Amino acid sequence: RKEVEQDPGPFNVPEGATVAFNCTYSNSASQSFFWYRQDCRKEPKLLMSVYSSGNEDGRFTAQLNRASQYISLLIRDSKLSDSATYLCVVNRAAGNKLTFGGGTRVLVKP
Amino acid sequence: NAGVTQTPKFQVLKTGQSMTLQCAQDMNHNSMYWYRQDPGMGLRLIYYSASEGTTDKGEVPNGYNVSRLNKREFSLRLESAAPSQTSVYFCASTGLDGLTDTQYFGPGTRLTVL
Repeated sequence: RKEVEQDPGPFNVPEGATVAFNCTYSNSASQSFFWYRQDCRKEPKLLMSVYSSGNEDGRFTAQLNRASQYISLLIRDSKLSDSATYLCVVNRAAGNKLTFGGGTRVLVKP
Repeated sequence: NAGVTQTPKFQVLKTGQSMTLQCAQDMNHNSMYWYRQDPGMGLRLIYYSASEGTTDKGEVPNGYNVSRLNKREFSLRLESAAPSQTSVYFCASTGLDGLTDTQYFGPGTRLTVL
């Protein structure tokens, strides 16, 4: 079983709609969680950190459920520019070594 | 600030050839990393360097060596390239607080081994 698992998608989303997807992680000792965004043939870039209380950044909302060991990302009012692959990233306490999920591809269409 | 830079951007090698991928950061970060990204596999850590003078193996170190030349530079060497090393290679760096700091990535090197 992969340490961090994501639905690869693609999630085809009409412009203006809401889309949400999850990521599950297997190591209960994981301490910090992130969503990175990766555009086609580009490097990953931090979208947002995920806090225990949940957090929001504009149209993006991230949630953490430690009991069920998953994190989620919700995108409201989707824009064409939101089309990308969203990488779920988990950091364990021992060393700053991130574990990446395989990514969820989102395609926003007019 | 240029952030994290990588050279070359593209490279084609024949099986058995060697090459070094270069990475440099100008953010005064302590930690630097090398990842490879293959379709459907996500990014996998090859080697990392928590600070100048130290290096450690990641998840997939076989076939690679690294050098942390100074605080700015972290190179990845393929001594005898194999087709299984065809991939996109990303270098990244992060500051002092590993648990909360952002990792900043370079633009990547697309390597094909024939």
